[in-house]
Amino acid sequence: GAVVSQHPSWVICKSGTSVKIECRSLDFQATTMFWYRQFPKQSLMLMATSNEGSKATYEQGVEKDKFLINHASLTLSTLTVTSAHPEDSSFYICSASLGINTGELFFGEGSRLTVL
Amino acid sequence: GEDVEQSLFLSVREGDSSVINCTYTDSSSTYLYWYKQEPGAGLQLLTYIFSNMDMKQDQRLTVLLNKKDKHLSLRIADTQTGDSAIYFCAEILPGNTGFQKLVFGTGTRLLVSP
Repeated sequence: GAVVSQHPSWVICKSGTSVKIECRSLDFQATTMFWYRQFPKQSLMLMATSNEGSKATYEQGVEKDKFLINHASLTLSTLTVTSAHPEDSSFYICSASLGINTGELFFGEGSRLTVL
Repeated sequence: GEDVEQSLFLSVREGDSSVINCTYTDSSSTYLYWYKQEPGAGLQLLTYIFSNMDMKQDQRLTVLLNKKDKHLSLRIADTQTGDSAIYFCAEILPGNTGFQKLVFGTGTRLLVSP
């Protein structure tokens, strides 16, 4: 199957700093990537849909100025958590789709963010 | 709404069958999915079923779909300790930009004891 890689897998930062998480599709081109957030023992919540070459589409309740998404190429999308606070601590997972009409997503390994 | 409901926890013994249930919301969903998440990891697609099917079998996995009741189940035969994980069902819904999006269930934690 297709491979999606995230980096870093684990990051600890101080409150007020910004953190960038990368999501790469390694063996295919992904025009669309999705960013999810998962709190402990909870399900995945879609944060935004990242489209190559255009602005991301954010789900209701997700602050676009807080979670900056850039999809500059067909293999890379980045999520930047700006001015992170402890409540932003979470597991962030990206995924990529091979096509818009399939829900078969290939997931990255996830990035665990801890904000002190 | 977009609530996809699952029971939270299931415990079985090795060798038994496991049945994980899911109730979804949108009757127009074309595909329904089962994903597996191991601790601290991303999600792995296990199987999916097209909405015009009632059943799909894939080795030890059997998916049953009851569209009338919007009920989806995953049966794992001969459950092994390596099957211990969280299982998410997901339905596909229209997104905000024309791209479809997956909405995940609450997840069922499966614990398999020797």
